[in-house]
Amino acid sequence: GENVEQHPSTLSVQEGDSAVIKCTYSDSASNYFPWYKQELGKRPQLIIDIRSNVGEKKDQRIAVTLNKTAKHFSLHITETQPEDSAVYFCAAASGGSNYKLTFGKGTLLTVNP
Amino acid sequence: NAGVTQTPKFQVLKTGQSMTLQCAQDMNHEYMSWYRQDPGMGLRLIHYSVGAGITDQGEVPNGYNVSRSTTEDFPLRLLSAAPSQTSVYFCASSSTGNYGYTFGSGTRLTVV
Repeated sequence: GENVEQHPSTLSVQEGDSAVIKCTYSDSASNYFPWYKQELGKRPQLIIDIRSNVGEKKDQRIAVTLNKTAKHFSLHITETQPEDSAVYFCAAASGGSNYKLTFGKGTLLTVNP
Repeated sequence: NAGVTQTPKFQVLKTGQSMTLQCAQDMNHEYMSWYRQDPGMGLRLIHYSVGAGITDQGEVPNGYNVSRSTTEDFPLRLLSAAPSQTSVYFCASSSTGNYGYTFGSGTRLTVV
């Protein structure tokens, strides 16, 4: 089955700096890659996603890049703010099914004021 | 529009007891899934469904049963609770063509 590796497990940045979280996946048939943000005690919420026919997607301060050849994708957050502090999960759709997601183990991002 | 509703929010079970975690969505989503979240393990797929009457196993299905008799409901049954099933359980749904899952607020289950 699909295996998703996520790095780093923790990331601490100063407010205003950029943050980058990287994920790799194993199933070359995967073609949908979402990112979720989970605040402490809350549910995961989708923040951005990308499909395999696109190399990069941006939404304000958040961007995701995808390299299908290397089987890795990354989340970039610019001009970080304290409210960006949360756990971020990457995921990949496995088994050729966009609805069957395999998640990475998460990155705890702390933005220090 | 309530989204994805899970009940109960908290539950304590004794080893060997059975129970059903309820999940309902009012968005007419075809796809529904159950995940469990454990510290340092991310979210792991237990069971999923692509429509009423159709279910399949995920990564960690042992000890759990599901059924999908209607589009709206997707209950998760623990047959004989074990301490290893202590976790936070999330139900999620999505629709065809819009693959981003909407998660429920979770059920925190403790088995003693």
